[in-house]
Amino acid sequence: GQNIDQPTEMTATEGAIVQINCTYQTSGFNGLFWYQQHAGEAPTFLSYNVLDGLEEKGRFSSFLSRSKGYSYLLLKELQMKDSASYLCAAWDSNYQLIWGAGTKLIIKP
Amino acid sequence: GAGVSQSPRYKVAKRGQDVALRCDPISGHVSLFWYQQALGQGPEFLTYFQNEAQLDKSGLPSDRFFAERPEGSVSTLKIQRTQKEDSAVYLCASSSGTPSDPYNEQFFGPGTRLTVL
Repeated sequence: GQNIDQPTEMTATEGAIVQINCTYQTSGFNGLFWYQQHAGEAPTFLSYNVLDGLEEKGRFSSFLSRSKGYSYLLLKELQMKDSASYLCAAWDSNYQLIWGAGTKLIIKP
Repeated sequence: GAGVSQSPRYKVAKRGQDVALRCDPISGHVSLFWYQQALGQGPEFLTYFQNEAQLDKSGLPSDRFFAERPEGSVSTLKIQRTQKEDSAVYLCASSSGTPSDPYNEQFFGPGTRLTVL
């Protein structure tokens, strides 16, 4: 079966760094997305990885290891507005997005 | 338009009623997706359109769910004889390319929150 696993909830302090992990098992693989979703709002795109390695975009970075079926999202210099759910989604061989349940990130002052 | 829009934003239906949810994708976007998102869960794929063609409807949970995109732009998701378990947020997303294009970001609408009483 197809499966995406990520922690349900994480807590971090304003100004700190947090890493949100995601493991995936899909029928084929055509890339991995990270989306941010604030409560009651639509998911918004953060990053896309299809090759192994780290992609950096400002305060956010995303890493992929295809051989391990593993990705992480790294958030630096955390701000209160980063409090949201972070969704990991993998593209399977049919180019269907398989989504994780999301990681709720709570930022404390 | 500037982004994906959906209407209504909120819909309350009595069990057994039919509902129609509308999605206006970003102008010119080829691909359109419908997802169902239960509270505290990630989106679950329902169906995919490439222009007016419905290429994948494998995620539709039952034959009570029907989607169309007759002119390749606006799409409607219809749910017949709604049941309590249909209560969820229905998200629409569009993208400029086809799923097999590299780096094919999906842009999401705000969703329609459906509550079936």
